[in-house]
Amino acid sequence: EIVLTQSPATLSLSPGDRATLSCRTSQSGGSYLAWYQHKPGQAPRLLIYDASNRATGIPARFSGSGSGTDFTLTISSLEPEDFAVYYCLQRTIWPPLFTFGPGSKVHIK
Amino acid sequence: QVQLVESGGGVVQPGRSLRLSCEASGFTFRSYAMHWVRQAPGKGLEWVALISYDGSNQYYADSVKGRFTISRDNSKSTLHLQMNSLRDEDTAVYHCAKDLSGSGTYGMDVWGQGTTATVSS
Repeated sequence: EIVLTQSPATLSLSPGDRATLSCRTSQSGGSYLAWYQHKPGQAPRLLIYDASNRATGIPARFSGSGSGTDFTLTISSLEPEDFAVYYCLQRTIWPPLFTFGPGSKVHIK
Repeated sequence: QVQLVESGGGVVQPGRSLRLSCEASGFTFRSYAMHWVRQAPGKGLEWVALISYDGSNQYYADSVKGRFTISRDNSKSTLHLQMNSLRDEDTAVYHCAKDLSGSGTYGMDVWGQGTTATVSS
């Protein structure tokens, strides 16, 4: 069973700040890692897939990096609409089983 | 536009069954793998199940294996989740979601708003 750890659990920042979110996995899943943004009452939104590929329509301020067991989501300059919970998602290579991290909440300072 | 609409949620007693459905539109449903993902009250996201584009392969989280069955009807662009032997801890909002690929390689890129299943005596 894969266990994902996200840090920090909460992040207090101001608009314009840089946010760096970490996701560490207990097993290497190669680059099969995605990042999601989730706001209350809304469906989650895919930001990054395959560790570093931005999904369609996602602004360039969102970037993903990493491989193996350590991954990072960076928001270069926070916009007011970016305050939300961010989840990482990893897939085992085979069989394709998915695990979400516990989430990191980015809220306004 | 691409849309996923879930239905079938409700209140059910422990040990009983519930069948969720998800109607897809705006994309070629038969070409993509599909997932169910849930969120219990006050908790994070939990992946539940995956089905390949043609329905030939299904995969489940350990927490639901043997109790839940994912299926699809490509002729009707519809995804289902049959939930049997329900437990209190299955109470959640259930989202269906489209994968980026046909085999379930990359994860979910489009999500429905969800339907709520409440297990309570």
